[in-house]
Amino acid sequence: AQKVTQAQTEISVVEKEDVTLDCVYETRDTTYYLFWYKQPPSGELVFLIRRNSFDEQNEISGRYSWNFQKSTSSFNFTITASQVVDSAVYFCALSCPEGGNEKLTFGTGTRLTIIP
Amino acid sequence: EPEVTQTPSHQVTQMGQEVILRCVPISNHLYFYWYRQILGQKVEFLVSFYNNEISEKSEIFDDQFSVERPDGSNFTLKIRSTKLEDSAMYFCASRNGTRANEQFFGPGTRLTVL
Repeated sequence: AQKVTQAQTEISVVEKEDVTLDCVYETRDTTYYLFWYKQPPSGELVFLIRRNSFDEQNEISGRYSWNFQKSTSSFNFTITASQVVDSAVYFCALSCPEGGNEKLTFGTGTRLTIIP
Repeated sequence: EPEVTQTPSHQVTQMGQEVILRCVPISNHLYFYWYRQILGQKVEFLVSFYNNEISEKSEIFDDQFSVERPDGSNFTLKIRSTKLEDSAMYFCASRNGTRANEQFFGPGTRLTVL
């Protein structure tokens, strides 16, 4: 069975501060995929990133960066120089390709509030 | 850019009534999903659909739920006799056949059962 844990329920930071959202996952599969989704107040789910289990290279996209560490089963997400528009709930998710279904298992989400 | 659409955006119904939530996945996608998010909680997998049949369903997806792809474009979720606890946001998602491609989510239908 797969499981995703986001221990931080809510985080508040002042604008322009850096913030890291933690994600720890559990799976017995050797091949799996990790995702981050953003859910702004309007409610839709916005895809941010996908990583596969064979690629531990960290990734940077503008102010966003992701740190994937298989040794600790973590896939953390950092926002640098945070902005008010970053305020949202962020979900980490896991999928495993066995059987071809690739359903997503989500964590409970971290509500991020950026204070102007 | 192609997107997943869902209708209606908000549905209010009385307990015991049947509801049908509609989704139009991206046209060349092969895998279809329904997820549910109770207010303030995490997104939960309900069911996946491939090749005109259910490929996997969760414990939540009991006999009250059914899915259908009645034509080449729509993908529907039916709840036969709604309960108060069915109140939630329901997201449809689709994915093409390439392994590990992201699922594209629709904007969701907020279902309120009174």
